Amino acid sequence: EAGVTQSPRYAVLQEGQAVSFWCDPISGHDTLYWYQQPRDQGPQLLVYFRDEAVIDNSQLPSDRFSAVRPKGTNSTLKIQSAKQGDTATYLCASSFEGAEQFFGPGTRLTVL
Amino acid sequence: QQQVRQSPQSLTVWEGETAILNCSYENSAFDYFPWYQQFPGEGPALLIAIRSVSDKKEDGRFTIFFNKREKKLSLHITDSQPGDSATYFCAASAIASSSFSKLVFGQGTSLSVVP
Repeated sequence: EAGVTQSPRYAVLQEGQAVSFWCDPISGHDTLYWYQQPRDQGPQLLVYFRDEAVIDNSQLPSDRFSAVRPKGTNSTLKIQSAKQGDTATYLCASSFEGAEQFFGPGTRLTVL
Repeated sequence: QQQVRQSPQSLTVWEGETAILNCSYENSAFDYFPWYQQFPGEGPALLIAIRSVSDKKEDGRFTIFFNKREKKLSLHITDSQPGDSATYFCAASAIASSSFSKLVFGQGTSLSVVP
């Protein structure tokens, strides 16, 4: 069974640029999560979906971050006008009915 | 507010020793505590988990001890191997609430096992 896949694996951009991250969850998993993991810290939940519906996006900086999961399968996380403080690894995870979460390898973002 | 705290921040043990990683939490509603293992360049992977109705959970060389009254738990890794060198995260969630899926992670403990 294929695990959670993410792309790209790395991204480097200047402040003010936009970037999108893509996640393909494990087949059949209805719940998808996006986390931000700053260097040497634990993952922090940004947003999560059950099928195509957003369940909780209270930690998503809504002025510059957006996330969608239009068909309840793949998902895209976008940062408009990135800031140096956004430098982190962005992790996607999926689960079935809120059980064990399986993580992808992450996208390491550096904002110069 | 840091709801889940871990100590020590880093730990070095010799091969064959027992590594003890500590975790504490503040929210009394938390009742599910998974531990994740993360290697550099990879995402976290579930290692072992415990529910608050139990005070101990064992899986091979990995054991969780849980003290509900003190809101503390610990992960014991017996016969530590160099391949166990990784960062370990304690996490917590509240099964009974609608936010069952919402995991809160600690800051992690970086473990090094010296041959």
